[in-house]
Amino acid sequence: DTAVSQTPKYLVTQMGNDKSIKCEQNLGHDTMYWYKQDSKKFLKIMFSYNNKELIINETVPNRFSPKSPDKAHLNLHINSLELGDSAVYFCASSQFAGVRTGELFFGEGSRLTVL
Amino acid sequence: AQTVTQSQPEMSVQEAETVTLSCTYDTSESNYYLFWYKQPPSRQMILVIRQEAYKQQNATENRFSVNFQKAAKSFSLKISDSQLGDTAMYFCAFMKGSSNTGKLIFGQGTTLQVKP
Repeated sequence: DTAVSQTPKYLVTQMGNDKSIKCEQNLGHDTMYWYKQDSKKFLKIMFSYNNKELIINETVPNRFSPKSPDKAHLNLHINSLELGDSAVYFCASSQFAGVRTGELFFGEGSRLTVL
Repeated sequence: AQTVTQSQPEMSVQEAETVTLSCTYDTSESNYYLFWYKQPPSRQMILVIRQEAYKQQNATENRFSVNFQKAAKSFSLKISDSQLGDTAMYFCAFMKGSSNTGKLIFGQGTTLQVKP
């Protein structure tokens, strides 16, 4: 069973469209994250949720809206897609009590291409 | 603000040999954690090794070990007996010890190719 699963793994869309990426973890963790990896492979945190509450919003444009319906899910919705949104988006999770250990469990990433 | 720098964009090593990947960081924090993550071609990020800044002893995990020099703010990864499966991109990462958010700050990454 995949611990952190993301869908879709590949997404190609036109500029201006709205799209969503879903993430689910079956590890029983209570903290989930979205990271963005750009074309130069640079990884940067976007959002973090703990027990469905937002705890990090790393100056991400308002077009990006995360939603956490429960502890096991963290979805990412992107409005009015722009060319610069093309990237690989990684979902990750960790146990809050153990968050200081730094062991984040990552999904396989969702490659978004905006044309 | 914390920064993490990996000055080697690409490296290669022969199978069974040893390679060292460099990482330096900048922080004013006294309590923090350092990590090496591996990203193989499959894209999934995997934790390789972790070091608590308050521990003087260098962390080791089988063929992977670190050289943690706190005063120099250096955190290198040594891979012994390199295997073809070690081919991947390696990221050094930093987390504040006082963090209750789990925020990792990553370096730019080093692409390692293990040659047969």
